[in-house]
Amino acid sequence: EDKVVQSPLSLVVHEGDTVTLNCSYEVTNFRSLLWYKQEKKAPTFLFMLTSSGIEKKSGRLSSILDKKELFSILNITATQTGDSAVYLCAVGKTSYDKVIFGPGTSLSVIP
Amino acid sequence: NAGVTQTPKFRVLKTGQSMTLLCAQDMNHEYMYWYRQDPGMGLRLIHYSVGEGTTAKGEVPDGYNVSRLKKQNFLLGLESAAPSQTSVYFCASSSPRVRVGELFFGEGSRLTVL
Repeated sequence: EDKVVQSPLSLVVHEGDTVTLNCSYEVTNFRSLLWYKQEKKAPTFLFMLTSSGIEKKSGRLSSILDKKELFSILNITATQTGDSAVYLCAVGKTSYDKVIFGPGTSLSVIP
Repeated sequence: NAGVTQTPKFRVLKTGQSMTLLCAQDMNHEYMYWYRQDPGMGLRLIHYSVGEGTTAKGEVPDGYNVSRLKKQNFLLGLESAAPSQTSVYFCASSSPRVRVGELFFGEGSRLTVL
C-alpha cells in the first residue's frame, strides 16, 4: 500500500526562523516528489523533484529529494507570517498522474 | 481565468439523501480527480478519470460514484449519504502535456451529513 508520511504534523515558529519539513514515502511506480502549499482553500503547487540530490529553489523555499533513502525535505528560510499554511508532500506515480498525498504539516509563523 | 470550478461550495445533507458535486475545468486537461480532505489525513483520492468516458477507483472509492461524459466535466455522486462522508471535497485536473504531477485544484466543496 502506498504511503506518504510527513513530520512534524504541526509547527509554530517566530518570524525570521528557518524551518525544515520532512517527508518520507513508500510508493510503487514512483515518478516524482511534489510539494504543495495550502492556505485557506485549494492547494497550490510549489515544487516537483524527480532526481536525487537536485535542490529546487524558489526564493526562500528550497527542497531536496533522496531517492535512495526515500525522503524529501522542504526548507523555508527567514520565515514570514505569509508562510503560515499547511504544506503537503505528495508522490506522483507513473500511472495516469495519480498523486498520493501525505497528511500535511501545519506551519504557523508568529510575529 | 476560471481554471477548475466546483459546485456547490457548501451543502448540508441528511443521512440517506443523495447529491452530486460538479467539477468543470476549462484548461482542456485530460486527467481529472476527486479527493476528500479530513483533518489530519491530507488529501485522499476517491476516483479519477484519464479521459472522456473512463473512470477508475482511487484509495477510498466506497460510497461514491463518478461520471465523465464530457472532457471538461467530472461528476461525483453520493447515492446514500452517511455521516462518515462529511468532508471537504476537492476536484483537480492535470495534463501530461503541461507538467506531469502538477494538479490544478478547485476551491473545494464542504459537505456535512447529519
